[in-house]
Amino acid sequence: QVQLVQSGAEVKKPGSSVKVSCKASGGTFSSYAISWVRQAPGQGLEWMGRIIPILGIANYAQKFQGRVTITADKSTSTAYMELSSLRSEDTAVYYCARDCSSTSCSKQNWFDPWGQGTLVTVSS
Amino acid sequence: DIQMTQSPSSLSASVGDRVTITCQASQDISNYLNWYQQKPGKAPKLLIYDASNLETGVPSRFSGSGSGTDFTFTISSLQPEDIATYYCQQYDNLPRTFGQGTKVEIK
Repeated sequence: QVQLVQSGAEVKKPGSSVKVSCKASGGTFSSYAISWVRQAPGQGLEWMGRIIPILGIANYAQKFQGRVTITADKSTSTAYMELSSLRSEDTAVYYCARDCSSTSCSKQNWFDPWGQGTLVTVSS
Repeated sequence: DIQMTQSPSSLSASVGDRVTITCQASQDISNYLNWYQQKPGKAPKLLIYDASNLETGVPSRFSGSGSGTDFTFTISSLQPEDIATYYCQQYDNLPRTFGQGTKVEIK
């Protein structure tokens, strides 16, 4: 059973960057994409982007293009999400989730399982 | 981007009631729709995939239906442990998009 474990909470200054990790265990890491979804306090879910580790290809939501970088290290089964130029509106819980399977993302197009979430607080 | 419109945004029902949530896509997404449950302070949990398929281990009182642009999520008999916010999510196109959520409370 695949489990995703994320890094701990972060407090960052406006203008800085944050890098959150998501380590997979119990499954074949490279066979699935990993997506990142964030949730601002009291708000809904917002997809940021995904990476397909076996291809090393990342896709990003237009809203975050240029500010977010999603990478994966197959040797450690870990995905990373780095968000730069942080502002107060980026305060949120950031989740990783296993996404589609196969290189073409033609199967299992749902988010399951999810990591436990990482709270990122941006404050001066 | 495909817009997902959920309704209602919140509802209050009694234990044992039938609860229905709707989700409308801004364009035809076939059956490329999933439903999630999120309890306070927890990560979302997949309940329904491909519009109508029940995830393994999810109680049968949960169900989903629909295709094209209009989808329905139903709890046939509301239980106290079903108090949560429910989200629909499309995967027809990138970016993946979610509905705004429906908060379900006990009356």
